[in-house]
Amino acid sequence: QVQLQESGPGLVKPSQTLSLTCTVSGGSISSGNYYWSWIRQPAGKALEWIGRIYISGSTNYNPSLKSRVTISINTSKNQFSLKLTSVTAADTAVYYCARVMNYDGAFDIWGHGTMVTVSS
Amino acid sequence: DIQMTQSPSSLSASVGDRVTITCRASQSISRYLNWYQQKPGKAPKLLVYAASSLQSGVPSRFSGSGSGTDFTLTISSLQPEDFATYYCQQSYRTPYTFGQGTKVEIK
Repeated sequence: QVQLQESGPGLVKPSQTLSLTCTVSGGSISSGNYYWSWIRQPAGKALEWIGRIYISGSTNYNPSLKSRVTISINTSKNQFSLKLTSVTAADTAVYYCARVMNYDGAFDIWGHGTMVTVSS
Repeated sequence: DIQMTQSPSSLSASVGDRVTITCRASQSISRYLNWYQQKPGKAPKLLVYAASSLQSGVPSRFSGSGSGTDFTLTISSLQPEDFATYYCQQSYRTPYTFGQGTKVEIK
């Protein structure tokens, strides 16, 4: 079955760029039935949607992060990626990648999550 | 943004109890409402989508209802593995938004 796995540095310095990749296995990222999304969760807090991408490259971002976020897709590698610039301690969180059901907008498959700490 | 408000924020219940969690949207979202279960240190798991459709593999003791602005998640008979935090999420419009969570604890 389809599985997602996040990868990337666990520690990022303030003002630098956070970069994460999500690798999709067990299925093709090019399926037109899904979007691909990033979500984050600070310790002890609720979930926050970061953005989504379609196989066409079309993206939607959370306005609260839009000026700092870029999500891209690499269909040949079955991966999609997140870049978040100018990070601060407020960006410290567990970052999840997830598959989004195209019609209903539900996140039906999630990665295990990766903890990213912003600290000097 | 569409604000999602869950109640209660936490509850204590016993095995076998019927549990109901409420989620209210700040505007009508039709039936674009999804429910997730999250256990400590784990990723959320989709339970119910489109307000009342049970995700494959989810036990039938879970059910969802509602439309417009008011929604409920019901666990008909609470089991030991159901102690967790539950989140609602609207998918009517981006940015997708989540409720603040309801923690279900053992009484």
